[in-house]
This record gives sequence, C-alpha cells and structure tokens, in this order.
Amino acid sequence: EIVLTQSPGPLSLSPGERATLSCRASQSVTTNYLAWYQQKPGQAPRLLIYGASSRATGIPDRFSGSGSGTDFTLTISRLEPEDSAVYYCQHYGSSPPMYTFGHGTKLEIK
Amino acid sequence: QLQLQESGPGLVKPSETLSLTCTVSGGSISSSSYYWGWIRQPPGKGLEWVGSIYYSGSTYYTPSLKSRLTISVDTSKNQFSLKLSSVTAADTAVYYCASPVDTAILGYYGMDVWGQGTTVIVSS
Repeated sequence: EIVLTQSPGPLSLSPGERATLSCRASQSVTTNYLAWYQQKPGQAPRLLIYGASSRATGIPDRFSGSGSGTDFTLTISRLEPEDSAVYYCQHYGSSPPMYTFGHGTKLEIK
Repeated sequence: QLQLQESGPGLVKPSETLSLTCTVSGGSISSSSYYWGWIRQPPGKGLEWVGSIYYSGSTYYTPSLKSRLTISVDTSKNQFSLKLSSVTAADTAVYYCASPVDTAILGYYGMDVWGQGTTVIVSS
C-alpha cells in the first residue's frame, strides 16, 4: 500500500509570496494518478490538479503541479488570503483500485 | 451542472448499521460518470477514502472497512448508497460522496464534484 507523506508542516506565508508544498510517495507512482485538493474549513475538498500537473476547470494559473516518480510539488504563486486552506495530495492505485490521501498541509496566509 | 447531496441520520448507536445516500441531480447516474465514491473525514483529521462503485457495478473498498461495508447504486432513484455495519466511535466523521464528472479528467482518477458532506456521530 502506498503511503503519501506531505511536507512541510503548517506553513504561514504573506500575501504575494510563493508556497511550495511537497508530496512524497513511499514508492514510485503513476504520474497520471496524482491529484491535489484544497479544503477550506467547513467545506468539501476542491480538485485543483490532476495528472500531477493539469489544472482542473476554473482553477487559477497561480496553482501549478509538477513531479514524477515519488516526488510531487504543488506551487501556489502570488498568494492571496483566500488561499488559506489545507492541501491534500491523492493517489489512485489500480491494483487493486483504491485511493490514498496524504495527511495534508495547512497553509495560512496572513 | 451535476450536483451531489448526501443524506442520512446524523446519529447512530454503536454496533448498529450506518446508512447514507448520495442523490445525484442535474444528470443521470447511469451516464454522468464512470464511478462514484465515498470519502470520510474524522473530526480534525484528514481525508480517508472509503470505497467506490463503478459503472460496471464493481465495488472497491478500503481494506480496513471491507468486512463491514457495502456500496450500491439505485439507478431508478439516481442515487448511490453506503452501508457500514457494526459502527464504533471510530466511524464518527463527515462523509462525502464524490465523482469525476469533467470529461477532461477521465482516466486520471481525480474527483471534481463533491457533495457538501454529512456529519455522522456514533454514540449511545
């Protein structure tokens, strides 16, 4: 079973700065099956990135994803206060079909 | 625009069966997506995939819940459901239903449409 480890721990940045969030898999994974979500308090998660680097519909280009193998990155540029949220990476494994989520990275913009 | 809405009892007694329903609106459950999933989130914790059902009828469950879990689809009601038996306090969580709907993400297994979530508390 694949384990996804996210870093850093809680992150506090200022508006206009850039955030770099990491997701490391315990073994090499299929790039197509790596996604990122944003979750704000009291809300359902929102899909940001799929296929490691493709933005979901309606997601601003300030959000970008990259990586392959075991190391993946979500970059948020020109941070805005509304970007305060917990960010999760997610992997889909096909044998057997199952999803794994990372434990999340909390990002605070102030 | 496809929408999902979870429903079910907010309080369940230990050892009983938790039953939740996800109602699909704005489209047919038979043709709008190729799989439908449940994800839960214990209070103050992260997301946990519970299980999924595919258009073929195949179901896949997270290993830790497999012996207690059933996910099914009722096409006549445009709904899919979750039943979790012998619940304990560890099953207390917000339960979300979710699905990939945007054709652009087909084959990538992200989930772009989510319900708002329903809180389930297991307590006597």
